[in-house]
This record gives sequence, C-alpha cells and structure tokens, in this order.
Amino acid sequence: GAVVSQHPSWVICKSGTSVKIECRSLDFQATTMFWYRQFPKQSLMLMATSNEGSKATYEQGVEKDKFLINHASLTLSTLTVTSAHPEDSSFYICSARIISSYNEQFFGPGTRLTVL
Amino acid sequence: AQSVTQLGSHVSVSEGALVLLRCNYSSSVPPYLFWYVQYPNQGLQLLLKYTSAATLVKGINGFEAEFKKSETSFHLTKPSAHMSDAAEYFCAVSDSQAGTALIFGKGTTLSVSS
Repeated sequence: GAVVSQHPSWVICKSGTSVKIECRSLDFQATTMFWYRQFPKQSLMLMATSNEGSKATYEQGVEKDKFLINHASLTLSTLTVTSAHPEDSSFYICSARIISSYNEQFFGPGTRLTVL
Repeated sequence: AQSVTQLGSHVSVSEGALVLLRCNYSSSVPPYLFWYVQYPNQGLQLLLKYTSAATLVKGINGFEAEFKKSETSFHLTKPSAHMSDAAEYFCAVSDSQAGTALIFGKGTTLSVSS
C-alpha cells in the first residue's frame, strides 16, 4: 500500500521558535496533500489543503502566516509553525491523496509538537 | 456542506461480543464514506471505504460496514471483538469530486474487556 512518512515524529521546542514538519509520499506521487491538527481525545481538524506548485488553501480560522505550507514537489509538503506558542502544542497529521483514486487519502504517522 | 455524526463517543464491549459503531452522514451529493482506526500516538489506518459500488463493504481485521442511503448511515460492525480492536475509530465523508478533503466525525473510542 501507499506509504506516507512524517518527520520528525516528535518535537519539543521553546516558545517563539519555528518548527518545520515534513510530509513525504514514499512510493507514489501526490498532487494534493492535506494537513490536519488533532487535540487530545478529539477528532482531526483540517487545517489546509496543499496542491503541488500552488498556494495552499487554508480552512477558516487557520492563520496562514502562522502555519506556512509549502508543496514544492509531488512527494513532499512541509508545514512550518512560525513563532510557536504553547497553544500550538498538538498532534499534526498529514495525508496524501493518490492520483486516480476515490479520494482515498493515506495518512502519515503524525508529529507531536510540544511547545514549552 | 457535508458532515458526519458518530453516535456514542465511547463504546465498551466484551471480547467475543458484537461491535457496532454508528455513523450518520449528511451530504448534498453522492458521498464517499470511510472508516479509519487510530491507535495511540499513531496516524490513521484505513479500515474500509464506500465508493458507490457494493453497499456492503468488507474491510480489514474482520470489519464491515453497510451504506444505507435511506437512513444516511454507514455503521461499522464486527461479529466478534478482539482485545486488539481497542482503539479510536473515525468515520469520514468526502464528496465524489476529485481533490476534496475528508470531513471527520468526532470519533468513537472502543474498549474491549476480557
């Protein structure tokens, strides 16, 4: 099956620093990748849709200057949390949509961000 | 707009008992429906999906779900629960257009006791 990786799997940073999370589709090309955020004991909330070679589309309430998304190639999308604060601490999950599928998305293992 | 409602945030069953996790959807266009499982500190794994073919869908680990348009439901079942089934389960919907995101339900925690 299609595999999506995320790096790092866990990161702890100081308040005010920026953190970059990578999402890679390892054995397929993904024109579209999605970034989700999950708080403890809650569901996944879509943050943004990332299309290769174009600007990401952000969901209402998500600050695009805070959460920078780059999708430079068909196998890599990055999410940068800028000037992170403790309230940004969360589990960030990406998914990649395989071309010519029924909207099937393959999910990465997630990145746990803790901001001190 | 699409939405998903998962009835029951927590379901507890005994090992060997029937598992029933409920999901109702709302969609103005023919939907695609998915069930995902999430183990602690891990990503999501696809259990099964409905994409307008057979209404009874069989997935991995003995799970299956039936699409009922008249009831706008897509409940997940398993005849006999196993301890390893304890996890968080999410129902999700997307429309039949390419490139649209998944909308997730709030999730149901399944506990299995021996």
